[in-house]
Amino acid sequence: NAGVTQTPKFRVLKTGQSMTLLCAQDMNHEYMYWYRQDPGMGLRLIHYSVGEGTTAKGEVPDGYNVSRLKKQNFLLGLESAAPSQTSVYFCASSRQGVTDTQYFGPGTRLTVL
Amino acid sequence: SQQGEEDPQALSIQEGENATMNCSYKTSINNLQWYRQNSGRGLVHLILIRSNEREKHSGRLRVTLDTSKKSSSLLITASRAADTASYFCATDASGGSYIPTFGRGTSLIVHP
Repeated sequence: NAGVTQTPKFRVLKTGQSMTLLCAQDMNHEYMYWYRQDPGMGLRLIHYSVGEGTTAKGEVPDGYNVSRLKKQNFLLGLESAAPSQTSVYFCASSRQGVTDTQYFGPGTRLTVL
Repeated sequence: SQQGEEDPQALSIQEGENATMNCSYKTSINNLQWYRQNSGRGLVHLILIRSNEREKHSGRLRVTLDTSKKSSSLLITASRAADTASYFCATDASGGSYIPTFGRGTSLIVHP
């Protein structure tokens, strides 16, 4: 099992460009999450999904969109990147909800110039 | 705002010593989890303790939970250089929120 994988690992964007981060899990988990991690901060939840076809806003959703068309994939989109979105992005999944163990991907380091 | 906050922010010890880090939270919880993050990597789950539990052990890890004080502690005994990492607590809200909340973490350095 690969667990949770994220692509790409690194990306540099210019302000105003768009991109999509892909998260895939092979554990048949219902719940998936996108976090961002900034220096000196913990993880902040951007969006999450409680099952295929569902999405919901987390703590810091502005400037991001998500889709969960397939159970195993959770996409995070930046329509018009801003320097404030420079961060490390982590995807996670869990079998059940927040009371369950989350399995994290290796992260995507995004720099917006 | 973070539900859980770890203390201290940074901890530096020698190999073989014990490391203790604490997590305080604001609202009632169903459970509390501890995660480890090695530099440049994703988080790895260490241990989960439920609100009706007071102590839990896993190898060299010991976690306690005091719901009256809204706090938890993670003890790593006989630390090793490989324990060098950041440690985060994550809580949920007992109101049924699906949103897990992480603290800012404790950065632990274990010197060989």
